[in-house]
Amino acid sequence: QKEVEQDPGPLSVPEGAIVSLNCTYSNSAFQYFMWYRQYSRKGPELLMYTYSSGNKEDGRFTAQVDKSSKYISLFIRDSQPSDSATYLCAMRDETGFQKLVFGTGTRLLVSP
Amino acid sequence: DTEVTQTPKHLVMGMTNKKSLKCEQHMGHRAMYWYKQKAKKPPELMFVYSYEKLSINESVPSRFSPECPNSSLLNLHLHALQPEDSALYLCASSPLSSPSSTDTQYFGPGTRLTVL
Repeated sequence: QKEVEQDPGPLSVPEGAIVSLNCTYSNSAFQYFMWYRQYSRKGPELLMYTYSSGNKEDGRFTAQVDKSSKYISLFIRDSQPSDSATYLCAMRDETGFQKLVFGTGTRLLVSP
Repeated sequence: DTEVTQTPKHLVMGMTNKKSLKCEQHMGHRAMYWYKQKAKKPPELMFVYSYEKLSINESVPSRFSPECPNSSLLNLHLHALQPEDSALYLCASSPLSSPSSTDTQYFGPGTRLTVL
């Protein structure tokens, strides 16, 4: 079993839809959770960063962490064609602060 | 400004060539990373430098040789690569305040390497 599981997609939605992207993990020591967006042939761009459980909102993006279920989510409201990219979840524990564990990435396609 | 720059953007090399990839950040970050990313896969960690010293080597073949000349620069020297080494090579940096801080990693745009 992988430490972090993420559905590779692709996930296809129409413009304006609410998108839900998710990751599950097995290591209960993970405390820091990140979402990166990666456009084709570009480097990953940090979108959201959350510590421990709870919600964090930034514009159209909301990150949720449920440590009891070992489940994290990224919601995108009013999705746009420019949101079409691969979304990678990443996480780390208190000690492995130089080593991120990545999910495989979910490819999102938003059609006009 | 959370910018990490990488040069070149693209590189094509033969198996007998020697080349170098360069990475630069001016954010005062004290940790720098090299990752390798194959198509449709997540980034794989190769090396980590903390305070200009190599702190993690993920059992990378010796044909890849990292170098950190100063706190802003990171190089990856390439020699006698194989076609399967073709990939996107990503550099990242992080502040490295402490393990329990909210440090995270910021990535550069990558160098797309093709080995013929």
